[in-house]
Amino acid sequence: NAGVMQNPRHLVRRRGQEARLRCSPMKGHSHVYWYRQLPEEGLKFMVYLQKENIIDESGMPKERFSAEFPKEGPSILRIQQVVRGDSAAYFCASSPHRGRKTEAFFGQGTRLTVV
Amino acid sequence: AQSVTQLDSHVSVSEGTPVLLRCNYSSSYSPSLFWYVQHPNKGLQLLLKYTSAATLVKGINGFEAEFKKSETSFHLTKPSAHMSDAAEYFCVVSLGGSQGNLIFGKGTKLSVKP
Repeated sequence: NAGVMQNPRHLVRRRGQEARLRCSPMKGHSHVYWYRQLPEEGLKFMVYLQKENIIDESGMPKERFSAEFPKEGPSILRIQQVVRGDSAAYFCASSPHRGRKTEAFFGQGTRLTVV
Repeated sequence: AQSVTQLDSHVSVSEGTPVLLRCNYSSSYSPSLFWYVQHPNKGLQLLLKYTSAATLVKGINGFEAEFKKSETSFHLTKPSAHMSDAAEYFCVVSLGGSQGNLIFGKGTKLSVKP
């Protein structure tokens, strides 16, 4: 059973371009979470999705950021018109169900650099 | 509101000596608490979790943590540090329910000297 797979591992984008980050959850997991880690900081929650539905997007910036988790295929975090401040590590986690006792399994992250 | 405070941003120990990484939490109800470890340029790995069963929780690689409700603490310990323990450690509280997200502390960087 492969773990949570994120790609690409590293992504470089020029200001104004779009960044697409992909996350394939563990087999059997239908809950996906995206987190952002800025330098010298802990991870900050962005969005929680269950297949085809956004459950909680309270941590998502209001503009330029969107996320989806289609019925087939990986979850996608999309950042339009990137700016230097978007440079960070973006982590995806998955779980088989929700609940505060449920462990989340993390991918290795995508490190986005905006130049 | 739920929050997590890791009291030390950086801890340095010598190999073979005990490790103590401190964490205090604030939660309006009985929390679930986790410790994750992140090695450089790697993802996060779960070390251990507390979910209202035994208050002393044993994890991987010889780590353990004790949940103390009276002190709202969940400190991580290891009797004897190994060089491979050098990493960043995150204390995490789970909101769960309809929110399903985790609140992370700012992390503690553990350095291990030979």
